[in-house]
Amino acid sequence: DAGVIQSPRHEVTEMGQEVTLRCKPISGHNSLFWYRQTMMRGLELLIYFNNNVPIDDSGMPEDRFSAKMPNASFSTLKIQPSEPRDSAVYFCASSIDRDYGYTFGSGTRLTVV
Amino acid sequence: KNEVEQSPQNLTAQEGEFITINCSYSVGISALHWLQQHPGGGIVSLFMLSSGKKKHGRLIATINIQEKHSSLHITASHPRDSAVYICAVRGAAGNKLTFGGGTRVLVKP
Repeated sequence: DAGVIQSPRHEVTEMGQEVTLRCKPISGHNSLFWYRQTMMRGLELLIYFNNNVPIDDSGMPEDRFSAKMPNASFSTLKIQPSEPRDSAVYFCASSIDRDYGYTFGSGTRLTVV
Repeated sequence: KNEVEQSPQNLTAQEGEFITINCSYSVGISALHWLQQHPGGGIVSLFMLSSGKKKHGRLIATINIQEKHSSLHITASHPRDSAVYICAVRGAAGNKLTFGGGTRVLVKP
């Protein structure tokens, strides 16, 4: 298995632009998580899905952020419009159920200038 | 006060030394995870614990549910163990993780 696949690995964009981050979870995993990591705040959960349904989006910072999971093999995290304070590494992770660990993607390093 | 506290924040050891990282939490949990993040940024899941002790190679993780405390031990440390080690807890319900601030470990040759 190729693991959790995230794209792009790096993204540099100008303030105000729309940014879309993509994630392909491990086949058969039914939970998918989006995390953000910054120097100031460490790792934070943004949103997680179970069986493609959003379960907890309390970590989504504001309306500029949205996430979708149209099917079991694909999820997107969109920021519109982007701001410099959104600069961070965004990780996607998936798990098969509560009794198993998590597999993390390699992350997307986002820089908003 | 953070729900998950790690100590120390930074640790420097000589190759071969025994290393201990501590994690305390204040909420009821269903499981505790230890994660490793190397300088390149990738995150690897090391252990998931709900009781007792687990061992994988030179790594040992223990948890005391009553005391709300877990430790990660590295025996015979090696420079390749240099990384940030992160403790994360999963609540009693749901599948959400809450993270500690991480412990930055540097093992010198």
